[in-house]
Amino acid sequence: ETGVTQSPTHLIKTRGQQVTLRCSSQSGHNTVSWYQQALGQGPQFIFQYYREEENGRGNFPPRFSGLQFPNYSSELNVNALELDDSALYLCASSLDRPGEQFFGPGTRLTVL
Amino acid sequence: KQEVTQIPAALSVPEGENLVLNCSFTDSAIYNLQWFRQDPGKGLTSLLLIQSSQREQTSGRLNASLDKSSGRSTLYIAASQPGDSATYLCAVRPAGGADGLTFGKGTHLIIQP
Repeated sequence: ETGVTQSPTHLIKTRGQQVTLRCSSQSGHNTVSWYQQALGQGPQFIFQYYREEENGRGNFPPRFSGLQFPNYSSELNVNALELDDSALYLCASSLDRPGEQFFGPGTRLTVL
Repeated sequence: KQEVTQIPAALSVPEGENLVLNCSFTDSAIYNLQWFRQDPGKGLTSLLLIQSSQREQTSGRLNASLDKSSGRSTLYIAASQPGDSATYLCAVRPAGGADGLTFGKGTHLIIQP
């Protein structure tokens, strides 16, 4: 059974650019959630997708958007990057919305 | 707004000791609580999941308890080993289960050989 995978591992962007991060869910999982983790902090919930529809969102602006595909893989898009967007972005999948969440290794984004 | 607090923020103990990590949350209307381990710069590894109707869960040397009415959970680690060194995170999912997890800032644990 393949776990949650994320790509790329590391990414460097400049302020104002746009970025797309990718996540492949664990086999059979229909729910994916994205989190942002700043250095020394716990992860913060960005949003959740269930069967290709967003069904929960944390306190993040609309420039953070996402997609979930029919195979349950997912993308996180961030527009107009700001310096404070520098963080570890984590993807988690679960079997149904309230299920145990399994996390990927994360993508380290640095905004210069 | 749910807030999760973990105490202590950091802990250093000799190998072989039993230890307890604490987690408290302000809103008792939770669906479940999950404990994770995070190694530096890495993703999260799920350790234990406790449903709101449960009092505790055990996995190997780990035991997690939940007192929902008082908003508290503890993670007990028996016979600690240097490989247990990591940051331990507690997270709660709100009742209804639709929203994401709310995390504490974690406890940074060092086990001295």
